[in-house]
Amino acid sequence: GIQVEQSPPDLILQEGANSTLRCNFSDSVNNLQWFHQNPWGQLINLFYIPSGTKQNGRLSATTVATERYSLLYISSSQTTDSGVYFCAVGVWNTGNQFYFGTGTSLTVIP
Amino acid sequence: DSGVTQTPKHLITATGQRVTLRCSPRSGDLSVYWYQQSLDQGLQFLIQYYNGEERAKGNILERFSAQQFPDLHSELNLSSLELGDSALYFCASSDRGGPDEQFFGPGTRLTVL
Repeated sequence: GIQVEQSPPDLILQEGANSTLRCNFSDSVNNLQWFHQNPWGQLINLFYIPSGTKQNGRLSATTVATERYSLLYISSSQTTDSGVYFCAVGVWNTGNQFYFGTGTSLTVIP
Repeated sequence: DSGVTQTPKHLITATGQRVTLRCSPRSGDLSVYWYQQSLDQGLQFLIQYYNGEERAKGNILERFSAQQFPDLHSELNLSSLELGDSALYFCASSDRGGPDEQFFGPGTRLTVL
């Protein structure tokens, strides 16, 4: 299957700081999503972004499919941004195989 | 709220037992996916169903099975449970069978004692 690597594995930020999370994947993909797993375990959709750039408030994401990476930008971080951020990629054949990275654990301190 | 529901939220059982986890997809979604999240293995794709038929298979053990019913809800059956099966089990749904955006339910936390 596809290897999905996320960096950094852990990140501690002061409230108000900006950060960039990276996701590298080992082969061509049909689908890429970013999720935030909150402290209660829920996986919240951030972006569906197989290619290009999207923005949603303080968050934005860019995927460069030809170079097999995606970036998630968090600006003006808040304590509620704490949690684990996952990148997941999908390879569609007869079905949709979905592979998750190991995540970036973000802690935002006030 | 993603619109995907899962029951039960928590389940505690003993080794060797069998349990059934239930998932209802978002209204109109035809695909259901199951995932397992454990401390040592991370988030792993188990299986996908599309409109009642198995569409893709991941790292699903032979002791585990799933099905999708005509009303599109899905069940994941876990049998001969082992301590290592303790994990958070997620269901997700998407509107078609292709590389669509997936929406995740709140998960079922299974503890095997």
